[in-house]
Amino acid sequence: DTAVSQTPKYLVTQMGNDKSIKCEQNLGHDTMYWYKQDSKKFLKIMFSYNNKELIINETVPNRFSPKSPDKAHLNLHINSLELGDSAVYFCASSPPGLAGVLGTQYFGPGTRLLVL
Amino acid sequence: GQQVMQIPQYQHVQEGEDFTTYCNSSTTLSNIQWYKQRPGGHPVFLIQLVKSGEVKKQKRLTFQFGEAKKNSSLHITATQTTDVGTYFCAGLNYGGATNKLIFGTGTLLAVQP
Repeated sequence: DTAVSQTPKYLVTQMGNDKSIKCEQNLGHDTMYWYKQDSKKFLKIMFSYNNKELIINETVPNRFSPKSPDKAHLNLHINSLELGDSAVYFCASSPPGLAGVLGTQYFGPGTRLLVL
Repeated sequence: GQQVMQIPQYQHVQEGEDFTTYCNSSTTLSNIQWYKQRPGGHPVFLIQLVKSGEVKKQKRLTFQFGEAKKNSSLHITATQTTDVGTYFCAGLNYGGATNKLIFGTGTLLAVQP
């Protein structure tokens, strides 16, 4: 009955490989996000989808490609992994805000990616 | 681009002492949220402030939104070991893109029993 779930929890891989992270939310939210948290704990938004449509695409290398098959799922595929991609990747979802006020972000448990 | 800075970056207190983290934005915010991330965990929503000068309390936690809506603070009275974690503010830029929170740099709180 986890609200926002991610798989895998840990991912250790070699440079140059391609990997995917999956996210699912059962909260009925329309908006989902991918965040990257680096080793200094800085949390930065990467992508946002609203009802399967991409609405935010920050300056992220095009090796990163999100896909939302339906509004409950948002996956992240990463091609040609590099050492600098090592980080914790959080999926999140939020309900619609009111009068321009953003809804609460519900975060998944995170995927700890280590590129060797 | 918009920046949200928090100070201090790290604070170590004895259990029972008070703690405050300050959040400062380079631009005016329409609202601000606070999150807590336990070590090894994920950010968890604490509260949202919307009005200029707003003050909200949750037990030992007091949150304040500045009059100019460019800064905010979180004060914890009589810290406990369960307060350990990183506290993030996150602001939504006034008139900016919707659904895009800018997270602060975070303050890591360590509490010694």
